[in-house]
Amino acid sequence: NAGVTQTPKFQVLKTGQSMTLQCAQDMNHEYMSWYRQDPGMGLRLIHYSVGAGITDQGEVPNGYNVSRSTTEDFPLRLLSAAPSQTSVYFCASSYAGTAEAFFGQGTRLTVV
Amino acid sequence: EDQVTQSPEALRLQEGESSSLNCSYTVSGLRGLFWYRQDPGKGPEFLFTLYSAGEEKEKERLKATLTKKESFLHITAPKPEDSATYLCAVQEVGGSYIPTFGRGTSLIVHP
Repeated sequence: NAGVTQTPKFQVLKTGQSMTLQCAQDMNHEYMSWYRQDPGMGLRLIHYSVGAGITDQGEVPNGYNVSRSTTEDFPLRLLSAAPSQTSVYFCASSYAGTAEAFFGQGTRLTVV
Repeated sequence: EDQVTQSPEALRLQEGESSSLNCSYTVSGLRGLFWYRQDPGKGPEFLFTLYSAGEEKEKERLKATLTKKESFLHITAPKPEDSATYLCAVQEVGGSYIPTFGRGTSLIVHP
């Protein structure tokens, strides 16, 4: 079992460029989410999904888009990268309910 | 105001020196409280889930406890390999099942 797979692991973007961070899980989990982690700020929720075709905003959604066309995949799109989006991004998945979340290894993004 | 507050932000211990990490929460109704461990450069890894006051869970040198307003992660006779950031997260009754995280406690255990 691969669990939660994120690609790429590292990325450098120029201001204004767009890109998609990929997240895939092979555990048939209904819930998927994207967090960003900045020094001293902990994990902050960007967007989440409770099933295919259903997404919602988290605490810091501005500048990011998501879609969930399949149970397995939950890509995060940066529309026009800004230096403030420099961060480490984590994707997580879980079964519905109070089950624990499984995290990917993260994508370290630098916007210059 | 943060829903989840962890203290201390950082903790340095000598090997064998027991201590506790604190996680206080302000949600009106708790559905579940989670503890995770995060090693540098990696994603968080699940440790425990607690659901109701008085509940305790143990794993090796770690024991998590829960009251109505806070949770403690007790570390007994820690070893250098226990060095990591420990994250606390809560699910609120009536909210989504996506947990809200605290900022974490960075633990360093010196040999």
